[in-house]
Amino acid sequence: GQNIDQPTEMTATEGAIVQINCTYQTSGFNGLFWYQQHAGEAPTFLSYNVLDGLEEKGRFSSFLSRSKGYSYLLLKELQMKDSASYLCAVKDSNYQLIWGAGTKLIIKP
Amino acid sequence: DTGVSQDPRHKITKRGQNVTFRCDPISEHNRLYWYRQTLGQGPEFLTYFQNEAQLEKSRLLSDRFSAERPKGSFSTLEIQRTEQGDSAMYLCASSLADTEAFFGQGTRLTVV
Repeated sequence: GQNIDQPTEMTATEGAIVQINCTYQTSGFNGLFWYQQHAGEAPTFLSYNVLDGLEEKGRFSSFLSRSKGYSYLLLKELQMKDSASYLCAVKDSNYQLIWGAGTKLIIKP
Repeated sequence: DTGVSQDPRHKITKRGQNVTFRCDPISEHNRLYWYRQTLGQGPEFLTYFQNEAQLEKSRLLSDRFSAERPKGSFSTLEIQRTEQGDSAMYLCASSLADTEAFFGQGTRLTVV
């Protein structure tokens, strides 16, 4: 079967750095996406990785290792508004998005 | 606003009633997806269209669910004979080919 694993919840301090991990087992791989979702709102796109390595976009970076079936999202200089769920999704061999359950990130002052 | 829009935002219905939701994707996007999401879970795939063709439907989807995209633009999702287990957020997303998907604000369905 296809599976995406991410921690259920993480807590971090305002101004700090946090890394949210995602491991996947899918039938094929055509890219990995990270989305942010605030409570009661729709997911919004953060990043896309299809090749191994680090993609940096402002305070957010995403890393991919296809051989390990592993990705992480790195959030720097955390702000209170970063409190949200972070969803990892993998596009499989049929180009369908397989979603993780999301990691709820709680930022404390 | 040129984003994905969904209507209605909220729907409360009695068990056994039929409901229909509408999604207007970003105009140039050829792919349209429907997902269902419950609290604490990621989006669950329901079905997707490429232009007007429905290319895939989740095997988890019962025959009470049907979706259309008649002219390759807006789409509707109908649930017949609603059950309490259908209560969820129904999300629509659109994309241009294999690029990232953009989501609408969702329709929250409550079946009482």
